[in-house]
Amino acid sequence: AQSVSQHNHHVILSEAASLELGCNYSYGGTVNLFWYVQYPGQHLQLLLKYFSGDPLVKGIKGFEAEFIKSKFSFNLRKPSVQWSDTAEYFCAVHNTDKLIFGTGTRLQVFP
Amino acid sequence: GAVVSQHPSWVICKSGTSVKIECRSLDFQATTMFWYRQFPKQSLMLMATSNEGSKATYEQGVEKDKFLINHASLTLSTLTVTSAHPEDSSFYICSASFPPGANVLTFGAGSRLTVL
Repeated sequence: AQSVSQHNHHVILSEAASLELGCNYSYGGTVNLFWYVQYPGQHLQLLLKYFSGDPLVKGIKGFEAEFIKSKFSFNLRKPSVQWSDTAEYFCAVHNTDKLIFGTGTRLQVFP
Repeated sequence: GAVVSQHPSWVICKSGTSVKIECRSLDFQATTMFWYRQFPKQSLMLMATSNEGSKATYEQGVEKDKFLINHASLTLSTLTVTSAHPEDSSFYICSASFPPGANVLTFGAGSRLTVL
């Protein structure tokens, strides 16, 4: 069965620090990859997605992610985080009509 | 943009009672909706895929007789938690693809169920 792994469960950063959240999936076929964000008290929102083409995907709020097929990875990055980036981040893989989520990474950014 | 609305946003019920949660797609039709469950500080677990006009498809380990799903129209899916118990307390989230058929989900705000 396909799965999604997020190795960082809780990340604490100061403002302006760089961010990289890991995401690995286990499926050898064609997949669509997503990062969703859940701000405190709010519903899930799409941050960015990869379907095909350029493996470096840019999303909203300065986030980007790189799809590395050989590593089955889709890591999320941001060069300089802000306090407002404090949220829960979920990596997800879509295949065979299902969207499977990783366990999530809680990001806390301190001023 | 597309909006998925859930109601109620929170509900408290007594053990043994049934609770219905509604999920509506606003301004677009959704032949398929997805119901997720999220425990505190955990990820979203797909419970079932709701199909308009046909039976829902349940994920392994999800009791279909306990979590009744009805998708009677192109804009409404309902999840009924029957004979609720405290262990059913959770955050239930529905979603739908938008644009329809695309592999991008729009999520509702969720419904928090607390069973006393």
